[in-house]
Amino acid sequence: QQQVKQSPQSLIVQKGGIPIINCAYENTAFDYFPWYQQFPGKGPALLIAIRPDVSEKKEGRFTISFNKSAKQFSLHIMDSQPGDSATYFCAASIFGNQGGKLIFGQGTELSVKP
Amino acid sequence: NAGVTQTPKFRVLKTGQSMTLLCAQDMNHEYMYWYRQDPGMGLRLIHYSVGEGTTAKGEVPDGYNVSRLKKQNFLLGLESAAPSQTSVYFCASTQSVGKGPGELFFGEGSRLTVL
Repeated sequence: QQQVKQSPQSLIVQKGGIPIINCAYENTAFDYFPWYQQFPGKGPALLIAIRPDVSEKKEGRFTISFNKSAKQFSLHIMDSQPGDSATYFCAASIFGNQGGKLIFGQGTELSVKP
Repeated sequence: NAGVTQTPKFRVLKTGQSMTLLCAQDMNHEYMYWYRQDPGMGLRLIHYSVGEGTTAKGEVPDGYNVSRLKKQNFLLGLESAAPSQTSVYFCASTQSVGKGPGELFFGEGSRLTVL
């Protein structure tokens, strides 16, 4: 049973477009929501993370929007570039939980066309 | 600056064979994890460890065993491989400082095929 549901499974945008990837979670105890980026043949790497005490966090061209009441969060990539083509995973965890089990979504394969 | 190293990177097994995947980290991290990645399923946690000598079950532990005899190493074992265990396996580690899970550092993966 997937505790974090991610959509869409794949996404194609033109260079300069703004791809949006959405995630929904069930466990209201989750309070730490990172996004990981994975290039082909590599392991995932942390991109950006948010805690629910803020509704938005921005780092460079990447923005997380968080809606606590709807139990949803999303990743926006501004002015997307071909180099952003990768698989993106949302995840959720309990911040204070020692051991920090991170539960991942299903992943979104993003392709940015030149 | 190795980070997290997984061996082997590729392996083909026949059904019923056994094997061990090795994960080594040189960052002195307390926490280590084994995930499997399958198309459309994302990353699913198999087992994890919160310190040397400890292990715990994740979301999909059946058919796997783990050991953490040394802080820097986390081994994932398949006693009797099945085709359903064909996957890409990722090891990760983090140094939680008591404020949450922290950033996970992943290895480059081990691709396992079970025929």
